[in-house]
Amino acid sequence: GESVGLHLPTLSVQEGDNSIINCAYSNSASDYFIWYKQESGKGPQFIIDIRSNMDKRQGQRVTVLLNKTVKHLSLQIAATQPGDSAVYFCAESNQGGKLIFGQGTELSVKP
Amino acid sequence: EAEVAQSPRYKITEKSQAVAFWCDPISGHATLYWYRQILGQGPELLVQFQDESVVDDSQLPKDRFSAERLKGVDSTLKIQPAELGDSAMYLCASSSSGRSLQTQYFGPGTRLLVL
Repeated sequence: GESVGLHLPTLSVQEGDNSIINCAYSNSASDYFIWYKQESGKGPQFIIDIRSNMDKRQGQRVTVLLNKTVKHLSLQIAATQPGDSAVYFCAESNQGGKLIFGQGTELSVKP
Repeated sequence: EAEVAQSPRYKITEKSQAVAFWCDPISGHATLYWYRQILGQGPELLVQFQDESVVDDSQLPKDRFSAERLKGVDSTLKIQPAELGDSAMYLCASSSSGRSLQTQYFGPGTRLLVL
């Protein structure tokens, strides 16, 4: 069946360092991928998205890389800050618009 | 900035009682989604509306859950009777359309605890 999973359940980084959060997906028909950030007690917050016809997309301090050959997605956060501490989810979508989420990676930023 | 509104934010109920959650999507968004999120896991879709019509409710436990979006704007999700296993975060999201490549924006969620 369809599944989206994350390689690491937790990630601890020092403030100012770069963070890389990885995600594997299994549905080669997925054409849209999104990263969400979820802080404790809140709903998921959109960070960045990428379409399947792209390999890389950059936002403010964040970059998403898509490798369709190995069905891998990553989120890079530059100069990680304490406010970046949260759980990060990747999600995939196909023509139906239904999002399938992975289990999440908890990012902890040490001051 | 437009946001998805949900209420209540927290709900504690006893098993076998009825509970209802409300969602008001971002203005103009035709597609509305209800998700359930168990602690430590990603959200799972319960039901998807396109305007007032249900598009996907394949994961909705229809023996106890119901959802409606009568006028194609706000929506209500109901559980009757609630069971202990229903304790979770219930999230509402909306997008401008139900097609792929459309970002879904989430509300703050309703945290349900069934005792």
